[in-house]
Amino acid sequence: NAGVTQTPKFRVLKTGQSMTLLCAQDMNHEYMYWYRQDPGMGLRLIHYSVGEGTTAKGEVPDGYNVSRLKKQNFLLGLESAAPSQTSVYFCASSYSPGLAEYTGELFFGEGSRLTVL
Amino acid sequence: AQSVAQPEDQVNVAEGNPLTVKCTYSVSGNPYLFWYVQYPNRGLQFLLKYITGDNLVKGSYGFEAEFNKSQTSFHLKKPSALVSDSALYFCAVRDGFKGSARQLTFGSGTQLTVLP
Repeated sequence: NAGVTQTPKFRVLKTGQSMTLLCAQDMNHEYMYWYRQDPGMGLRLIHYSVGEGTTAKGEVPDGYNVSRLKKQNFLLGLESAAPSQTSVYFCASSYSPGLAEYTGELFFGEGSRLTVL
Repeated sequence: AQSVAQPEDQVNVAEGNPLTVKCTYSVSGNPYLFWYVQYPNRGLQFLLKYITGDNLVKGSYGFEAEFNKSQTSFHLKKPSALVSDSALYFCAVRDGFKGSARQLTFGSGTQLTVLP
């Protein structure tokens, strides 16, 4: 059971560089999410997607872009990294609220630790 | 707007003693409430949830949580703590209206340390 897989797990960037984090899920979930985790602040939602080809802004979207070209993948991009984007990034997925399996529970990846120098 | 408060950044308890991790919430409709646990360098793992029904919910690893609507609380409990329970615990809430795309809101987390 792969579940939710994030790559890469670690990355160090210089200010101004760009990068993409990849999230893949094999549970056929409609909904996918990107969160960032910072000490004392819990998890904050960056962007989310309710289906292939759709994305929406979360609580802290500035400086990030996302794409959901395939149902199983959700990409998070940083076009010009800043030190304030140093964080641990988590991808998650869930069933659609319209399905009988839906309980609101999220399934998380193991995180991607990003350092911007 | 929905919100979650975990008033304690850190909870210390001796092994074998009962533990409580506190959570209060605010949501406009009926709440869906969750507890997740995070071990070092790992992702969040689901512990338990309250959707509807009995106010006392039982979950993984012997944990349980009590939903109290009048106090808008959903405290996590365990009768006898283990050293292996030491981890970061997150409470989360969302509006239970299934027609919305509203998202989970997480608390800031409580670090539980169980002392041998």
